[in-house]
Amino acid sequence: KQEVTQIPAALSVPEGENLVLNCSFTDSAIYNLQWFRQDPGKGLTSLLLIQSSQREQTSGRLNASLDKSSGRSTLYIAASQPGDSATYLCAVIGYGGSQGNLIFGKGTKLSVKP
Amino acid sequence: NAGVTQTPKFRILKIGQSMTLQCTQDMNHNYMYWYRQDPGMGLKLIYYSVGAGITDKGEVPNGYNVSRSTTEDFPLRLELAAPSQTSVYFCASSSDSDYGYTFGSGTRLTVV
Repeated sequence: KQEVTQIPAALSVPEGENLVLNCSFTDSAIYNLQWFRQDPGKGLTSLLLIQSSQREQTSGRLNASLDKSSGRSTLYIAASQPGDSATYLCAVIGYGGSQGNLIFGKGTKLSVKP
Repeated sequence: NAGVTQTPKFRILKIGQSMTLQCTQDMNHNYMYWYRQDPGMGLKLIYYSVGAGITDKGEVPNGYNVSRSTTEDFPLRLELAAPSQTSVYFCASSSDSDYGYTFGSGTRLTVV
């Protein structure tokens, strides 16, 4: 059974710092991996989608990498801003089981202090 | 683009009442899903659908029912509401090309 773990569970940094959020998964047979952002009381906003054949994706100050063989992904946020404060969720889609079912980690709660 | 639209945003139910959570998407996605999110527990799949007329159970289907009469709509029905169904419910859809997910803004349900 696929399990997704995110470390750390919470992170507090000063504004302007570069930071890395980690995601690991137990079954390397994944179709893709998706990073989301969730603000308190809000829905999930997709940040980056990495297909299994890709190594990384970039969007603005965000860069996500994928190493399938080691079961790891990282989300790099450059020059963090207070507006980046949110919970970041990593999710993978595996083969088989519930069609296209995303398996989520529990998230990393990020706080960026002004 | 509207994306995935959920209604209502908030609802309070009494034990034993029933209700339907509405979900509509305008991206012509074949795949649609219902998740619930409990504090500290992550998101769990309730039901999913791979196209109109086809639905299947996810990880936590008990106490819920779904239907998919059109590509756009995927309502979730709660029968005989119980306090254990207090949660935030998210509807999502994905294309069958890259499985990238789009989520609705959620329905916060409290059963008292």
